[in-house]
Amino acid sequence: GDSVTQMEGPVTLSEEAFLTINCTYTATGYPSLFWYVQYPGEGLQLLLKATKADDKGSNKGFEATYRKETTSFHLEKGSVQVSDSAVYFCAPSGTGRRALTFGSGTRLQVQP
Amino acid sequence: DAGVIQSPRHEVTEMGQEVTLRCKPISGHNSLFWYRQTMMRGLELLIYFNNNVPIDDSGMPEDRFSAKMPNASFSTLKIQPSEPRDSAVYFCASTLAGQEVFFGPGTRLTVL
Repeated sequence: GDSVTQMEGPVTLSEEAFLTINCTYTATGYPSLFWYVQYPGEGLQLLLKATKADDKGSNKGFEATYRKETTSFHLEKGSVQVSDSAVYFCAPSGTGRRALTFGSGTRLQVQP
Repeated sequence: DAGVIQSPRHEVTEMGQEVTLRCKPISGHNSLFWYRQTMMRGLELLIYFNNNVPIDDSGMPEDRFSAKMPNASFSTLKIQPSEPRDSAVYFCASTLAGQEVFFGPGTRLTVL
């Protein structure tokens, strides 16, 4: 089944630093890819998505490009803020167990 | 739409008691998931339903856990008897056709 591998956290950055959180996928086809974010005390919510190769998803200054050649969907932001401190999860579309296993995500801590 | 609705939001109970968590998925969604989140294990998929039918319950930790979905708009997760190690945040989520997953706000369970 389709699945993703994302980098372990925590990632600690200073405000206005550049952020990259790596995510690579394994799939038999070309699933949609998602980044979810979980702020403290809340459930996961969709941050951005890309539905096909070469698509770029973007939201709140975050971007991720669906790269078929490297099977990657890395999350980037040019200048992080303290309010971006959260846990980030990469996931493919699909209803198989592997696709739905979110794991621990990557915790981002942004310091002022 | 109100999103995925979970109740209660907080539950404190004593060891040995029965706990029932409730979920109303987004109208029209055909898949429903129950997750458990802890610091140690991250976000674990317990069970999921497609069209009200349980598809994969391999994540249910023990026979003390059971889940039902009597209709398309309601699901329950029951723990009987509860134990302190069941303390966690339990999320319900739903989706349509394997696309973006919408999470509820979670139920924070504390078993004393």
